[in-house]
Amino acid sequence: GAVVSQHPSWVICKSGTSVKIECRSLDFQATTMFWYRQFPKQSLMLMATSNEGSKATYEQGVEKDKFLINHASLTLSTLTVTSAHPEDSSFYICSARGGSDNQPQHFGDGTRLSIL
Amino acid sequence: AQSVTQPDIHITVSEGASLELRCNYSYGATPYLFWYVQSPGQGLQLLLKYFSGDTLVQGIKGFEAEFKRSQSSFNLRKPSVHWSDAAEYFCAVGAFAAGNKLTFGGGTRVLVKP
Repeated sequence: GAVVSQHPSWVICKSGTSVKIECRSLDFQATTMFWYRQFPKQSLMLMATSNEGSKATYEQGVEKDKFLINHASLTLSTLTVTSAHPEDSSFYICSARGGSDNQPQHFGDGTRLSIL
Repeated sequence: AQSVTQPDIHITVSEGASLELRCNYSYGATPYLFWYVQSPGQGLQLLLKYFSGDTLVQGIKGFEAEFKRSQSSFNLRKPSVHWSDAAEYFCAVGAFAAGNKLTFGGGTRVLVKP
């Protein structure tokens, strides 16, 4: 149980385009979803926390207009990287948590984004 | 604010040998503690978690971890390592007061020698 699907797993696009990444909880209802960014050989950095039906809470230094997060249902959250540039290239990982705050986060397999 | 330190960036062990990965945390209250494993190019898989109760926690794949409040540590152990255990391991602390957002350590890369 507790499977999180993230799509696409890999995307290459031209500078200036927008890219949408989906994160779905397949077998549980995710009241909270998280979006992380991971640079090569580094740890995960939390970008934002989203609760179903409400606006996402962004971490300090994360541009909310650049990284649009939507959590429209209990099983789906999306991250849209708007007007992407090469410096946005990274590995993006989502996680989902159901129920109460003491439930663990379950992670998707990540999306490798390369902006040319 | 909470923080997590994994002192070892790399560890190399022989297959069949024991493994211990260190994790020290800083948090003002009782923490929620987690160990995750990440294979290259993939997401994170939960190995085990500690919320309360027995300080020795059993996880998947033969891993266990011990919470030591006096040392602010949550070290991960495995008695006999398999080649498939080669991966990156992350310790994380969850802050209940902040909606259980996770703060990750820097990770420890485990290499397994045949």
